[in-house]
Amino acid sequence: GENVEQHPSTLSVQEGDSAVIKCTYSDSASNYFPWYKQELGKGPQLIIDIRSNVGEKKDQRIAVTLNKTAKHFSLHITETQPEDSAVYFCAASSPPGQAGTALIFGKGTTLSVSS
Amino acid sequence: DSGVTQTPKHLITATGQRVTLRCSPRSGDLSVYWYQQSLDQGLQFLIQYYNGEERAKGNILERFSAQQFPDLHSELNLSSLELGDSALYFCASTQGGGNTGELFFGEGSRLTVL
Repeated sequence: GENVEQHPSTLSVQEGDSAVIKCTYSDSASNYFPWYKQELGKGPQLIIDIRSNVGEKKDQRIAVTLNKTAKHFSLHITETQPEDSAVYFCAASSPPGQAGTALIFGKGTTLSVSS
Repeated sequence: DSGVTQTPKHLITATGQRVTLRCSPRSGDLSVYWYQQSLDQGLQFLIQYYNGEERAKGNILERFSAQQFPDLHSELNLSSLELGDSALYFCASTQGGGNTGELFFGEGSRLTVL
């Protein structure tokens, strides 16, 4: 089955700096790569996603890049703000029909933005 | 508010006991997923149901079982509880049965096994 590795596990930046979180996946059949943000005491919430037919996607201050050949994808947050402080999870999923497939998450990155 | 409701929010029990966690998906969603979140393992996929049928299975222990009822709510049953089962259990729902759409998570059920 799919395995997703995420780095770093913790990341501290100053307000206004950029933050980058990287993930690798193992299943070359995976075709959907979302990023979720989890604030304290809440469930994860989707912030951006990318599909395998796209190399990059941007939404205001956040962007995601995908390198299918290398099987890795990254989240970029620019002009970080204190409210960006949270745990971020990357995930990957394979097309349905393969046994045991579902959305598989990395172990998370705790981002701290200090003002 | 994601629209996914999980009960109870907190549960404290003893080793060897059995508990049931309940999840009501968003209106119209047919798929329910269960995830376990512990400090060192992140979000571990347990099981997925789609319209009452098991769709995918992850790292779910034999002591754990789940089902989805005709009204689409789901229950996760945890038995013979061990200290290591202490975790936050999330339910998520989505409209379709595939794996390429947004999952809407509840706020979780925190289980503490003493």
